[in-house]
Amino acid sequence: GAVVSQHPSWVICKSGTSVKIECRSLDFQATTMFWYRQFPKQSLMLMATSNEGSKATYEQGVEKDKFLINHASLTLSTLTVTSAHPEDSSFYICSASLSRAYEQYFGPGTRLTVT
Amino acid sequence: AQSVTQPDIHITVSEGASLELRCNYSYGATPYLFWYVQSPGQGLQLLLKYFSGDTLVQGIKGFEAEFKRSQSSFNLRKPSVHWSDAAEYFCAVGAGAGGGADGLTFGKGTHLIIQP
Repeated sequence: GAVVSQHPSWVICKSGTSVKIECRSLDFQATTMFWYRQFPKQSLMLMATSNEGSKATYEQGVEKDKFLINHASLTLSTLTVTSAHPEDSSFYICSASLSRAYEQYFGPGTRLTVT
Repeated sequence: AQSVTQPDIHITVSEGASLELRCNYSYGATPYLFWYVQSPGQGLQLLLKYFSGDTLVQGIKGFEAEFKRSQSSFNLRKPSVHWSDAAEYFCAVGAGAGGGADGLTFGKGTHLIIQP
């Protein structure tokens, strides 16, 4: 089956710094990638949708200047959390699909802790 | 706006017993419905999905789900659970197979505990 990886799986950063999370589709080309955020004991909330070569579409309430998404190739999307604060601590999950018409495959997630 | 409700936060079932996890959705059009399982350290894995046709869908690992339009429900069932089924289960709704333009809307999840 389709495999999606995320790196790193766990990251700790200091408040005010930026951190980049990578999402890769390992065995297929993903024209569409989604980024979700999951708080402890909570559901996954869609943050943004990105299409290869296009600007990401952000959900209402998600700061696009804080959560920078780049989908530069058909196998890689990155999420950069800029000027991170403790309230940004969360579990970030990406998913990838051939297109919006096809099933999403989820990465294992990245645990971000901001101190 | 679409929404998904999973009324049970935790469910405890004895190994070998049957299981039913509840899911209710709110969606303005024909929904695409999904059940995912999330285990620690692993990504969400699709158990099954419903788009159209037979309202009883079979999935992986012995799971099945029944779509009931009149009740806006898509409950997940398994006749006999195994200890390895202990995990977090999420119901989700979307506008298309890939979630459509708006991605997927997830319920809050049900944590399944298996008693020996």
